[in-house]
Amino acid sequence: NAGVTQTPKFRILKIGQSMTLQCTQDMNHNYMYWYRQDPGMGLKLIYYSVGAGITDKGEVPNGYNVSRSTTEDFPLRLELAAPSQTSVYFCASSYSQTYEQYFGPGTRLTVT
Amino acid sequence: GENVEQHPSTLSVQEGDSAVIKCTYSDSASNYFPWYKQELGKRPQLIIDIRSNVGEKKDQRIAVTLNKTAKHFSLHITETQPEDSAVYFCAASLRSGAGSYQLTFGKGTKLSVIP
Repeated sequence: NAGVTQTPKFRILKIGQSMTLQCTQDMNHNYMYWYRQDPGMGLKLIYYSVGAGITDKGEVPNGYNVSRSTTEDFPLRLELAAPSQTSVYFCASSYSQTYEQYFGPGTRLTVT
Repeated sequence: GENVEQHPSTLSVQEGDSAVIKCTYSDSASNYFPWYKQELGKRPQLIIDIRSNVGEKKDQRIAVTLNKTAKHFSLHITETQPEDSAVYFCAASLRSGAGSYQLTFGKGTKLSVIP
């Protein structure tokens, strides 16, 4: 099993550009999450999904959108990128919401 | 919402000594408390977790204790080794208004084990 995979690993965006961060898991987990991690800070939840077709906002959803058309994939869309979105983005999945979350390797995004 | 405070933010110990990291949470309804380890440039990985119906859990050199009355939980690492050097995050899971659970993370503790 590959676990949770994310692409790209690194990306530099100009202010106002848009992009999609890809996340795929092969563990057949219903629950998937997107977090951002800023330097010296913990992980903050952006969006999560409890199954295909169902998504909900986390703590910091502004400036982002998600979709969940399949169990495996949970892409994160950034519209009109801003410098405040410079961060490391982690996707995660879990069997249940109170069980271990498995994280992807992360995407380091810089907006200039 | 849930608020998780973690202390200390940095911790240096001599190899072989013990390390203790403490977290407090704000909502008494929280029921799941995992600890994650993140090595530099790597992804967070679960090292131990505890649920609200248990007071203590141990796995080899790592243990977690939970005090529900005081709303705090702690990570204990004994006989520390250089490979324990990393950032450790605590988290608390709380049921949201939509009926699902969300994890709130502490800001992390950078542990350095000095050989």
